[in-house]
Amino acid sequence: EAGVTQFPSHSVIEKGQTVTLRCDPISGHDNLYWYRRVMGKEIKFLLHFVKESKQDESGMPNNRFLAERTGGTYSTLKVQPAELEDSGVYFCASSRYDRGGGGYTFGSGTRLTVV
Amino acid sequence: DAKTTQPTSMDCAEGRAANLPCNHSTISGNEYVYWYRQIHSQGPQYIIHGLKNNETNEMASLIITEDRKSSTLILPHATLRDTAVYYCIVPRYKLIFGTGTRLQVFP
Repeated sequence: EAGVTQFPSHSVIEKGQTVTLRCDPISGHDNLYWYRRVMGKEIKFLLHFVKESKQDESGMPNNRFLAERTGGTYSTLKVQPAELEDSGVYFCASSRYDRGGGGYTFGSGTRLTVV
Repeated sequence: DAKTTQPTSMDCAEGRAANLPCNHSTISGNEYVYWYRQIHSQGPQYIIHGLKNNETNEMASLIITEDRKSSTLILPHATLRDTAVYYCIVPRYKLIFGTGTRLQVFP
């Protein structure tokens, strides 16, 4: 089966601009997660979708971040307006069942650089 | 999530077994232990998980102590490509990554 696909793989934008990251989960996986790794820090949970519903968005840093999953398929994460501290690698993961942490398949990530 | 404690870093010679310990003394009876790794800047990769019995798959073995307060991930024949950060996680509702163990496999 195809894995979790993220694009773009890299994005360089200026402070104040808008960027939209996309994640295509494995087909049939109802659970979709977004994580972020800022340089030098741990991988941090952002949010969890079950189909098109936000199950847990406790990790979203602020209201400049908007995640959507229309139709319960692919998901987008929009950052508007981007700030320097938003730079990092954004990972998406999906799983068929919500086992509370198990069986996640991660994508290769989007490296976002805000200059 | 139950708190886990791992050594910050470890070294292992290529071809030898790498044994990565993890303490999870606050684990509850129905919580699983999961291991993931992140190679360089790639996405985290699932390795193995277990509840109370030892587990083995094509990547690794997981040894869980009888009291379930600690576990050891074993890579039986480490290769240079196993150099990565290894995370031991006891999730309650979602994966929470700590600092992990940075394993360096050397020739």
